[in-house]
Amino acid sequence: SQTIHQWPATLVQPVGSPLSLECTVEGTSNPNLYWYRQAAGRGLQLLFYSVGIGQISSEVPQNLSASRPQDRQFILSSKKLLLSDSGFYLCAWTAGGWGRVYGYTFGSGTRLTVV
Amino acid sequence: ILNVEQSPQSLHVQEGDSTNFTCSFPSSNFYALHWYRWETAKSPEALFVMTLNGDEKKKGRISATLNTKEGYSYLYIKGSQPEDSATYLCAFPLTGTASKLTFGTGTRLQVTL
Repeated sequence: SQTIHQWPATLVQPVGSPLSLECTVEGTSNPNLYWYRQAAGRGLQLLFYSVGIGQISSEVPQNLSASRPQDRQFILSSKKLLLSDSGFYLCAWTAGGWGRVYGYTFGSGTRLTVV
Repeated sequence: ILNVEQSPQSLHVQEGDSTNFTCSFPSSNFYALHWYRWETAKSPEALFVMTLNGDEKKKGRISATLNTKEGYSYLYIKGSQPEDSATYLCAFPLTGTASKLTFGTGTRLQVTL
């Protein structure tokens, strides 16, 4: 069966420090991968998605970047965190275009607090 | 810009009460409508994916209906229990092959004894 792992679960980082959040999927190949963020009082916002290795699409201009160095690995990064980067970050995967039909499977999330 | 709106924002009911909430979405270019349940400290869990106008889906005490012509879906919970306390999200797929979902801001349900 397919599983998705996301870490760390919580993170407190100072402003200006770097960030690396990692997400891996097991039990499937060539998944679509997504990074979403929920800021305080806001809904889930799509940050990045990837349909294959090295293929990253950014949905909103921001202080973050994403990379997909391996088929089932998706990394969210920042060189210098801002206070506004605080939020709850979720990784998700779907089986390619079937996500519209079968929905997403989400990771357990990372609570990031920038201080 | 694609807007998915949910109401109410939050709801507080007593155990045993039945409740319902609404998701509104653009009725043009409809493909599917997703419902997720998101409990605190857990990851969102898919409840239903609805694709046909008039569709009704059920999972235990939770059911959902879909009206694609007028652009709304209702989620019903019959006989609410404390374990139903969660945020209920609806999501609308954007066009294209990447299966991108636009989420509503959710309805936060709290069920008390």
